Amino acid sequence: DAGVTQSPTHLIKTRGQQVTLRCSPKSGHDTVSWYQQALGQGPQFIFQYYEEEERQRGNFPDRFSGHQFPNYSSELNVNALLLGDSALYLCASSLVGDSSPLHFGNGTRLTVT
Amino acid sequence: RKEVEQDPGPFNVPEGATVAFNCTYSNSASQSFFWYRQDCRKEPKLLMSVYSSGNEDGRFTAQLNRASQYISLLIRDSKLSDSATYLCVVIRSSGSARQLTFGSGTQLTVLP
Repeated sequence: DAGVTQSPTHLIKTRGQQVTLRCSPKSGHDTVSWYQQALGQGPQFIFQYYEEEERQRGNFPDRFSGHQFPNYSSELNVNALLLGDSALYLCASSLVGDSSPLHFGNGTRLTVT
Repeated sequence: RKEVEQDPGPFNVPEGATVAFNCTYSNSASQSFFWYRQDCRKEPKLLMSVYSSGNEDGRFTAQLNRASQYISLLIRDSKLSDSATYLCVVIRSSGSARQLTFGSGTQLTVLP
């Protein structure tokens, strides 16, 4: 039973470029959340997807967008990359209405140069 | 004011020591509470849930005080392998929306 999987593991982009990160939730889970973790900080909530719709959003600009597919997998897109977007991007999945804690994927480390 | 605030650390303690971390939250509507552990350059992993009645798992004890809006984590008989960053997490749910808010983390180094 695979847990949450993310790809790619590492990514290097230049300022102004666009990036797409991918996440496959744990088998049986239908909700995906994305987090950004800068060095030395706790993860910051970006947004949550359920039934292919964004259900909740944190304090991130519109350059950050997402998508959830019918198979529950999800993508995070970031446009017009800034140096400050360099961070570990974490995906977590869960089952809607379930109060159990989230389990995270290994993350994608994005470096913007 | 941040929604979740944690002891800034870092904590450097000798092996065998007892160490305690605190975390305060500002939103009284918060419903669930957890401690996560994060090793360097890895993803956060669930350490334990936190309840008002207290929760003990071996050397680890977590406690929730709803009246004062803080949670705590106590580690007894520290081991070298306990060195990590400890994150407190507060969850608010509404319908299908569930939002986790993390503290900034407290770094623990257990010294030989």
